[in-house]
Amino acid sequence: DAKTTQPPSMDCAEGRAANLPCNHSTISGNEYVYWYRQIHSQGPQYIIHGLKNNETNEMASLIITEDRKSSTLILPHATLRDTAVYYCIVSSRYGQNFVFGPGTRLSVLP
Amino acid sequence: DGGITQSPKYLFRKEGQNVTLSCEQNLNHDAMYWYRQDPGQGLRLIYYSQIVNDFQKGDIAEGYSVSREKKESFPLTVTSAQKNPTAFYLCASLPQGAMVNEQFFGPGTRLTVL
Repeated sequence: DAKTTQPPSMDCAEGRAANLPCNHSTISGNEYVYWYRQIHSQGPQYIIHGLKNNETNEMASLIITEDRKSSTLILPHATLRDTAVYYCIVSSRYGQNFVFGPGTRLSVLP
Repeated sequence: DGGITQSPKYLFRKEGQNVTLSCEQNLNHDAMYWYRQDPGQGLRLIYYSQIVNDFQKGDIAEGYSVSREKKESFPLTVTSAQKNPTAFYLCASLPQGAMVNEQFFGPGTRLTVL
């Protein structure tokens, strides 16, 4: 059973913010939301994670709704190098049921 | 430099042959994982190992075998019983007690069975 739902693809203009949504309506209290990305034919790269508070790091921001049933990954100024598949994963802290779904293919356009 | 090495990057085999994919890490990580990725799909867990000489099946273990004789090595054998072995294979490792986002991925091996 899929624990997350993401749109299969999105486009974003270079220099604009990319907002990638994820639905996780069955998330349980001890589960985190993780975001990874994968550039073609490479291993996945960790981006950010959160439990219930919004988080920000040098790569992105993560906005989690108050009911925790959905979240949005924000890349504030997308570049061509941000073109990748982005995965939203819901899992406990130590990785039980850490499942990569099909993700969202983000294309950053010049 | 510390990291995970997977070799080769591209591998071709004839149908019906067993093939072993290499995964080596010098990170001193306890846990190691093998994932399979098909085009347009996410990663699916094949096998994982938390300690030497012990491993568990993941979601799609049928047709695969592994060994964990050394902490730094976790080879994956794709047997002739695997019906559709052509895929991208990723190895990962994780220190004991670490959070899952500290999982470190290798560069992957793309296997094509002709």
